[in-house]
Amino acid sequence: AQSVTQPDIHITVSEGASLELRCNYSYGATPYLFWYVQSPGQGLQLLLKYFSGDTLVQGIKGFEAEFKRSQSSFNLRKPSVHWSDAAEYFCAVATTSGTYKYIFGTGTRLKVLA
Amino acid sequence: DTGVSQDPRHKITKRGQNVTFRCDPISEHNRLYWYRQTLGQGPEFLTYFQNEAQLEKSRLLSDRFSAERPKGSFSTLEIQRTEQGDSAMYLCASSSGTNTYEQYFGPGTRLTVT
Repeated sequence: AQSVTQPDIHITVSEGASLELRCNYSYGATPYLFWYVQSPGQGLQLLLKYFSGDTLVQGIKGFEAEFKRSQSSFNLRKPSVHWSDAAEYFCAVATTSGTYKYIFGTGTRLKVLA
Repeated sequence: DTGVSQDPRHKITKRGQNVTFRCDPISEHNRLYWYRQTLGQGPEFLTYFQNEAQLEKSRLLSDRFSAERPKGSFSTLEIQRTEQGDSAMYLCASSSGTNTYEQYFGPGTRLTVT
């Protein structure tokens, strides 16, 4: 069965430090992968997506993610974190048959220290 | 294009009452999804419409839940005899037939059952 694992429930970084949020997926075919950010009480904002092609994907707000098929991973990175990046981050994979529904990970809550 | 809208944004109800939420997708998007997000979890798929046809329902969707999309445009999600366990954020998303993998999410309806 398809699944998405985000191993880190909470991550704390200092402002200006680099960030990497981990995402592992389980899917047989070429996955369609997404990273979303959610501020408290808000909906989901798309940061970036991977469908095919270049395995390093650039997104909004200075985020990037790298697709590694051999490791079944799609980790999110940012070279320098800003206090406004504090939020919850979700990785998701789209099913590729039938409904194309998303399967989400459980999320990683990011705290940024001033 | 005004994005996906949901109404109401917040709903507080007493246990046992019925509630109904509305989702207006991006115009001409023929695919519509409902997800539920409980505290500390990622969104989970509830149901999917293609035009007016409800093509998939999750096992999460008990018989107290019903969803409709009568004219293939807006959708409603009704919960009958609400229970405290129904407290969650209910998210709606839509996608087009030409870009089926990319879903656009609404701001969500936060339901609190007291």
